[in-house]
This record gives sequence, structure tokens and C-alpha cells, in this order.
Amino acid sequence: ETGVTQTPRHLVMGMTNKKSLKCEQHLGHNAMYWYKQSAKKPLELMFVYNFKEQTENNSVPSRFSPECPNSSHLFLHLHTLQPEDSALYLCASSQGHLADTQYFGPGTRLTVL
Amino acid sequence: DQQVKQNSPSLSVQEGRISILNCDYTNSMFDYFLWYKKYPAEGPTFLISISSIKDKNEDGRFTVFLNKSAKHLSLHIVPSQPGDSAVYFCAASGETSGSRLTFGEGTQLTVNP
Repeated sequence: ETGVTQTPRHLVMGMTNKKSLKCEQHLGHNAMYWYKQSAKKPLELMFVYNFKEQTENNSVPSRFSPECPNSSHLFLHLHTLQPEDSALYLCASSQGHLADTQYFGPGTRLTVL
Repeated sequence: DQQVKQNSPSLSVQEGRISILNCDYTNSMFDYFLWYKKYPAEGPTFLISISSIKDKNEDGRFTVFLNKSAKHLSLHIVPSQPGDSAVYFCAASGETSGSRLTFGEGTQLTVNP
């Protein structure tokens, strides 16, 4: 595997479910990011991790809980989501923190019923 | 407050012609600009970037122009190819935004054979 991978690619969940999104980067990067892309809106930065430490939480509701066990893996734990949380969730990584070019995974298309 | 705007949601051009995608920004402290391309069911991929110390950067068929006084940048693709059909996002960063990337809404480019 090369680049940035995300699983699952598609997820349908009910509002009472708990699920997790997984991201893995094989680029040797130190920073990882979660973005949300809703229809017809710009990508919204959610969380930033640098060397496993969270450096940014962009006012994301607590029903989204990130976890970064190491520089290569990033998770987004989901619980009691709302239908308006349905979106494409993209993971990205970069060599340096924030300022460097970011490389994106394919995304997880999430639908909340 | 949308700091990066792509006012054209879609653009259609003939194969072999030039495609010009436009992007405007409001934050004069942005000093680094990027273009990403996104195919359906894939994450955005980095295309080309430009620093504010330059007004043009060229990479093969892709050229990005930056007009700092107008707070405007554009991506030129020439000659356009059907495989260029994708959504193009511009993004900007700078010290005052904590170096985080701020994305535009995207422009769907369709290159017709």
C-alpha cells in the first residue's frame, strides 16, 4: 500500500450507532488531518495531529472523537451522530505541520440515517 | 466568512483548448496557494502551488498565476484533455491562519472530446 488509505470507503449508520473511521499513511509524514466535505461546501478542517499530539480542534462537536496512536495511523470515532453529519470525511498527511503540501486519502462517504 | 472563493461552480471546454479556473481570496496575509484536483470517489490530489514571492509557476500543461494586488489566482491548463475532467479546488495558507489550508468550494471542469 502506498500513499494515504482510508477504511471503510462507505459507511451507513444509525444515530445511536458507534463506528470508527481509520486512516493510514505510508509516506513517513509527521502530521495528519481530518477534514469534512459536505455537498457544495469547501473542505472543513476538523482536527490536526503533529507527532501524535493534537494541535487543532476546529470547534468540532464531541460526538466526533479523534485518536492518533502513532504518526502513521489516525482514527475518527463516531457516536450519536446526526443526519447533518452525513458527508465525505477525508484524511490527509503532510511532512511538516500545516505549512507543507497535504496528501489526501480517498475519503469515507458517511451516511447517517 | 469565506476567505477563499471559486465563483464558478462549473466550466466546460473543448479538448485541446485552454481551461482557466479562477480563485479569489480576501485575506491579504495568505502567502502560499495550492491547487488540488479531485476525481469522483477519490481524495484531492496536489497539482501545483505558488508562493506569494512569485507571480507565475509552470509545470507541464499547468500554470498558476498569482495577482496579489487583485487577490486573485488562476490555473491555466493547456491543452485541455478529457482526463482533466475533475473538480479543482484552490487553497491558501499564511501565518495568520496558523498556516492551515483554507479551501475554496471547487470548480467542476468538464473537457469535451
